[in-house]
Amino acid sequence: QKEVEQDPGPLSVPEGAIVSLNCTYSNSAFQYFMWYRQYSRKGPELLMYTYSSGNKEDGRFTAQVDKSSKYISLFIRDSQPSDSATYLCAMSANNDMRFGAGTRLTVKP
Amino acid sequence: GAVVSQHPSRVICKSGTSVKIECRSLDFQATTMFWYRQFPKQSLMLMATSNEGSKATYEQGVEKDKFLINHASLTLSTLTVTSAHPEDSSFYICSAIVQDIYEQYFGPGTRLTVT
Repeated sequence: QKEVEQDPGPLSVPEGAIVSLNCTYSNSAFQYFMWYRQYSRKGPELLMYTYSSGNKEDGRFTAQVDKSSKYISLFIRDSQPSDSATYLCAMSANNDMRFGAGTRLTVKP
Repeated sequence: GAVVSQHPSRVICKSGTSVKIECRSLDFQATTMFWYRQFPKQSLMLMATSNEGSKATYEQGVEKDKFLINHASLTLSTLTVTSAHPEDSSFYICSAIVQDIYEQYFGPGTRLTVT
């Protein structure tokens, strides 16, 4: 079993839809949870990070962490074609970081 | 946000030659930089952790004599792929941290093709 599981998709939604991206993990020691956006042939861009459980909101993006279920989510409201990218979850503990495989998202106009 | 650059963005080389990739933190000092490789439609695979002024720490299965890492200053780390072979063709990405590992900033990546 991988430490971090993420459905690679692809996921295709119409413009304006609410997008839900998810990851599960097995290591209960993870404390920090990150979401990165990666456009094709580019390096990942840090979107948000959350410490421990709870929600964090930044504009159209909301990150949720449920440590009891070992489950994290990223919600994108009012999705735009420019949100089309691969979204990678990541999590860290003790200066060790693990990435999900990434979910490829396409938002169609 | 913090900016990390990589050079070159794309390189094609012949089998047996060596290629150097530079990673720079442009507006901050990075005590630690990371090198990853990424195959198509796959996640990032950490190759090594590079600390300024000390030897890099390589992940299991990564040949340190093949992937030479030098972190000579707080703003520059280099990865040299020695005696490159076609199986080394990949997307190489570096990242740097300001302070905490959860706040990594990535470079734009280098596409290496070995013919």
